[in-house]
Amino acid sequence: DGGITQSPKYLFRKEGQNVTLSCEQNLNHDAMYWYRQDPGQGLRLIYYSQIVNDFQKGDIAEGYSVSREKKESFPLTVTSAQKNPTAFYLCASSTLTAAYEQYFGPGTRLTVT
Amino acid sequence: QKEVEQNSGPLSVPEGAIASLNCTYSDRGSQSFFWYRQYSGKSPELIMSIYSNGDKEDGRFTAQLNKASQYVSLLIRDSQPSDSATYLCAVNMDSNYQLIWGAGTKLIIKP
Repeated sequence: DGGITQSPKYLFRKEGQNVTLSCEQNLNHDAMYWYRQDPGQGLRLIYYSQIVNDFQKGDIAEGYSVSREKKESFPLTVTSAQKNPTAFYLCASSTLTAAYEQYFGPGTRLTVT
Repeated sequence: QKEVEQNSGPLSVPEGAIASLNCTYSDRGSQSFFWYRQYSGKSPELIMSIYSNGDKEDGRFTAQLNKASQYVSLLIRDSQPSDSATYLCAVNMDSNYQLIWGAGTKLIIKP
């Protein structure tokens, strides 16, 4: 089955620790995205990538980092510099010709205490 | 500030009735408009896209776009309890790959 996987589903960390969220897709999509969703707010774009070894900052990139070494993979690292990291993190992918028709993974709920 | 506004709800609709969800956006030059459905605790899934003024129908769903009024809506006919979810409106406001998202409207279909 084609799709996007994110792991883990739930993640708990202590404040001050970096944590990496996994995102893998087998849809052969060129573009991948990371969003953050907080209660009562719309999705906010953290980073996106249209091609291997290239990525662009979204609206809230501070305190986050990404890599795109393979077309299928787009991991997100939440660093200790992110002031309020507790949130629901969503990875998505799309083709370049239909970039706004995005397919989402199941999400990772990160709790930092 | 580029914004997409939705009434947070909850919007309660009897089973079998028409549910009407609304969305306004701030950028008059916006070109692409999307409705995503998100069940509680799950990720969003695309249900409708619309690019030109007027109506677009797909099964029980109809998207309506009025660019002059900067308004896009989603109608769900013959509402079912399985339609109970949060509906997110997303708009592309410029030429890059970014979507601007509304906070969503929670829809409850009462049996």
